[in-house]
Amino acid sequence: GAGVSQSPSNKVTEKGKDVELRCDPISGHTALYWYRQSLGQGLEFLIYFQGNSAPDKSGLPSDRFSAERTGGSVSTLTIQRTQQEDSAVYLCASSSLGGGSGMGTEAFFGQGTRLTVV
Amino acid sequence: GIQVEQSPPDLILQEGANSTLRCNFSDSVNNLQWFHQNPWGQLINLFYIPSGTKQNGRLSATTVATERYSLLYISSSQTTDSGVYFCAVRRNTGANSKLTFGKGITLSVRP
Repeated sequence: GAGVSQSPSNKVTEKGKDVELRCDPISGHTALYWYRQSLGQGLEFLIYFQGNSAPDKSGLPSDRFSAERTGGSVSTLTIQRTQQEDSAVYLCASSSLGGGSGMGTEAFFGQGTRLTVV
Repeated sequence: GIQVEQSPPDLILQEGANSTLRCNFSDSVNNLQWFHQNPWGQLINLFYIPSGTKQNGRLSATTVATERYSLLYISSSQTTDSGVYFCAVRRNTGANSKLTFGKGITLSVRP
């Protein structure tokens, strides 16, 4: 696609329910990143994919959080048994290359999914 | 991990003024980007600048990689420049490719 697309734009869920957030990266981009931004805060790294594998998942805050990527394209971030502290904007980014070769390339972000746990 | 510090944390300008935003980082990097987060939360790419100098209209940026800092210059500021400016870097190693963000600089441009 023309840009990184995330869905849904907004999600309100009840505490204890599971949620799935979707990211559709720019076509051809092999690297995909998930970040979280709480209100008024900076960006917190969650997980990085190169292709379908996740060489860095160090930012996932607990085992309630998981992510997968299939076909080297779409990624899904799943939060199980949501808690109120999970409320935040979840941002996805993609770039054409990351890691391995040591080359850096420009990353582009989607518009984010605003998650509210009530 | 790599540390990214941005200064000043907050900046208030009168429309038409110029400003310099700074980003310091603690290790060698192969990627440095400046973003503007608009009031709707969207992260807008301003510059991809691991080294050297670039200009885009009223904005320009310089990264001195050997001294581990980058500067973003805003000239003739406008109210639409308001928002949060983030610097993000990627360490120069193949093992870790995440972008590490600074805490951001909140800019308010007053008419």
